[in-house]
Amino acid sequence: GENVEQHPSTLSVQEGDSAVIKCTYSDSASNYFPWYKQELGKGPQLIIDIRSNVGEKKDQRIAVTLNKTAKHFSLHITETQPEDSAVYFCAAQRLGNQFYFGTGTSLTVIP
Amino acid sequence: DTAVSQTPKYLVTQMGNDKSIKCEQNLGHDTMYWYKQDSKKFLKIMFSYNNKELIINETVPNRFSPKSPDKAHLNLHINSLELGDSAVYFCASSQGGLQPQHFGDGTRLSIL
Repeated sequence: GENVEQHPSTLSVQEGDSAVIKCTYSDSASNYFPWYKQELGKGPQLIIDIRSNVGEKKDQRIAVTLNKTAKHFSLHITETQPEDSAVYFCAAQRLGNQFYFGTGTSLTVIP
Repeated sequence: DTAVSQTPKYLVTQMGNDKSIKCEQNLGHDTMYWYKQDSKKFLKIMFSYNNKELIINETVPNRFSPKSPDKAHLNLHINSLELGDSAVYFCASSQGGLQPQHFGDGTRLSIL
């Protein structure tokens, strides 16, 4: 099955700085990569996703990059704000299969 | 309107009891899931149903039994609760295929 590794497990940044979270996957047939944000006491919420036919996708302060050759993808958050503090999960999926989640990154944005 | 709703939000009970968690989605999705999130925040899939049919059943004790009365509902019944069952359980739904999953806000189960 798929194996998704996520780093770092914790990340602290100053408000206004950028944050980068990286994930690697093992199944070269995986072709859907969503990112989720989980706030305290809430369920994971989709913030951005990318499919394998695209190398980069951006939505305001959030961007995701995908390198299919190296089998890794990254989440980039620019101009971080305190409300970005949460746990972030990456996931990988191949058609007909389940989501495989990374182990999560706890992001703290220091005001 | 809440897209994926779970009840109850908190469940505190004694070891050995039987309990159920209910999940409903109003997104018109065909596929529903149950996940377990442990204290280290790891999300582990337990079950997946597509149009009321079980399609994923990970290595879960048979004390856990999902039931899908219709494609908008997926309930989780747990028999003979054990201390290790303490966790947050999330329900999710999706259109299937390569589409995002939408999660409920979870049920925190605490076993005394």
